[in-house]
Amino acid sequence: NAGVTQTPKFRILKIGQSMTLQCTQDMNHNYMYWYRQDPGMGLKLIYYSVGAGITDKGEVPNGYNVSRSTTEDFPLRLELAAPSQTSVYFCASSSQGDYGYTFGSGTRLTVV
Amino acid sequence: AQSVTQPDIHITVSEGASLELRCNYSYGATPYLFWYVQSPGQGLQLLLKYFSGDTLVQGIKGFEAEFKRSQSSFNLRKPSVHWSDAAEYFCAVSNAGGTSYGKLTFGQGTILTVHP
Repeated sequence: NAGVTQTPKFRILKIGQSMTLQCTQDMNHNYMYWYRQDPGMGLKLIYYSVGAGITDKGEVPNGYNVSRSTTEDFPLRLELAAPSQTSVYFCASSSQGDYGYTFGSGTRLTVV
Repeated sequence: AQSVTQPDIHITVSEGASLELRCNYSYGATPYLFWYVQSPGQGLQLLLKYFSGDTLVQGIKGFEAEFKRSQSSFNLRKPSVHWSDAAEYFCAVSNAGGTSYGKLTFGQGTILTVHP
């Protein structure tokens, strides 16, 4: 009954460091998404995937990379962290044709 | 490009009062419309969604929303607000076409404060 699990919940990075945000879902959903949330800005789509081996850019992909080797996992990679990447990151999944997302609890990232 | 506007950044109501949160969208074709709620420090939870059919949609926690095509609106309502409804609410829209892959465009959010 886990749904979408994100790790870590909190992280502080120094400028130029790299890290991977993990996301796993156990609902056998085809579609998975990464969004970032900034105060007063709503959520912006970073990357999405429609199945294992298939990913595509969203609205704000610069500075990020993703992979989808299995149905369950959709990690988000930050290379060369910048202060502009300070945000709360949400992973979500949905089944094809349903579009009602199940969200993870988020990762709060600070880049200093 | 599609867009969503939530005109009210912050709304304050008294417990037991009625609530209406506004949402306007800009999209050429028939959209799929959603309302999500986010409690502090939590992820978002789906309240309700509209795809087609009856324009008045019932959701969880006693919420409902009405799709008005002529006004490009999808306002969220609740007859009597409870203190536990204090949260941030997001309206979202998706392309109804198959190539949208469920990608959502979110509004900026409305923070709801409930006074006892």
